[in-house]
Amino acid sequence: GQQVMQIPQYQHVQEGEDFTTYCNSSTTLSNIQWYKQRPGGHPVFLIQLVKSGEVKKQKRLTFQFGEAKKNSSLHITATQTTDVGTYFCAGQGNQGGKLIFGQGTELSVKP
Amino acid sequence: DAGVIQSPRHEVTEMGQEVTLRCKPISGHNSLFWYRQTMMRGLELLIYFNNNVPIDDSGMPEDRFSAKMPNASFSTLKIQPSEPRDSAVYFCASRTGANVLTFGAGSRLTVL
Repeated sequence: GQQVMQIPQYQHVQEGEDFTTYCNSSTTLSNIQWYKQRPGGHPVFLIQLVKSGEVKKQKRLTFQFGEAKKNSSLHITATQTTDVGTYFCAGQGNQGGKLIFGQGTELSVKP
Repeated sequence: DAGVIQSPRHEVTEMGQEVTLRCKPISGHNSLFWYRQTMMRGLELLIYFNNNVPIDDSGMPEDRFSAKMPNASFSTLKIQPSEPRDSAVYFCASRTGANVLTFGAGSRLTVL
């Protein structure tokens, strides 16, 4: 079945350093989404990527979808303490189908 | 908009007891998902519904788990009998036409 792998599992950075998390699917995806979960909270939608090679930016966050639509990345420039949380990618094999989440990358930021 | 509403927020029960978790999706969202989150296994999809119909329940662990969606505004996830390994946070999420999931706050289940 469809699997979504995400690395690293944990990342500890100093405030101001950059951060990247990577996501790989065992199958070609229709689209990929990214969510953020703060400690003790619930996942909150960040963005959806649909097109091959797509790049989207949200302030300090840059999201990429691979050319083969099997991998994706999230890059945060100059992390802040407010970036703390777990970042999940979620892949969808076909539009309207189930969304399979990666294991998440837990980011901690030291001030 | 009150968002996706889940109850109870916390449940502590003893092994063998029946547990019922409830979810009210956002009005107008026609898809509903149940996920389970643990440290070991992350976010696992248990089951999802489109227009109140179960589409994929392949993630339901075993016969002890069942889910229903009798109407567009209500869903339940039932565990009977519960076991300690069922301890987890259970999330309900509903989906917009734009394919975005909105999660509820979750129900934290502890089975002793």
